[in-house]
Amino acid sequence: AQTVTQSQPEMSVQEAETVTLSCTYDTSENNYYLFWYKQPPSRQMILVIRQEAYKQQNATENRFSVNFQKAAKSFSLKISDSQLGDTAMYFCAFLASGNTPLVFGKGTRLSVIA
Amino acid sequence: DTGVSQDPRHKITKRGQNVTFRCDPISEHNRLYWYRQTLGQGPEFLTYFQNEAQLEKSRLLSDRFSAERPKGSFSTLEIQRTEQGDSAMYLCASSLRAQGYNEQFFGPGTRLTVL
Repeated sequence: AQTVTQSQPEMSVQEAETVTLSCTYDTSENNYYLFWYKQPPSRQMILVIRQEAYKQQNATENRFSVNFQKAAKSFSLKISDSQLGDTAMYFCAFLASGNTPLVFGKGTRLSVIA
Repeated sequence: DTGVSQDPRHKITKRGQNVTFRCDPISEHNRLYWYRQTLGQGPEFLTYFQNEAQLEKSRLLSDRFSAERPKGSFSTLEIQRTEQGDSAMYLCASSLRAQGYNEQFFGPGTRLTVL
């Protein structure tokens, strides 16, 4: 069974600064996907960024980028130029290649401070 | 709005009552997932459908829980004889099964409070 661990329950960052959220996972699969989801206070889950395990290049989406270390089973999210609208719960998630259900971590509550 | 919708958004019930939630997926999506999210936790998988077939059920889905997707479109999740431990946010997601990766799109959730 796969597990996802987020060791930072809460974090805060000043507006316009950079913050990194950590995630580690455990799996025996070789082909899989990793995701960061954002859940704002309104609670609708939104996909922020995804990474395919077979790709060595780290994914980037505008201000969001990941540091994917496959051997270490680490998948961190970097948010650059933080904005007030980035305040939310962030969940790291794992998906095996058969498109089975997502496995989520417990989340990190990020607060962006003006 | 063509996203995933869920009804009701909030439900308060007394212990022992039955409740039913509905999820309408994105219209062309053939996979539908139910997750449960308790306070301070990430979502946990309950069950999923491909079209009308229920393909997998989690150990979290006790005998009091039943889910259906009768025509491969909307889905219902029923909880019988609710318990206080059932209080949670129930999330629905849908995706289109195709080659490779298929993104799951989430609905806003139904928040259940059992008194």
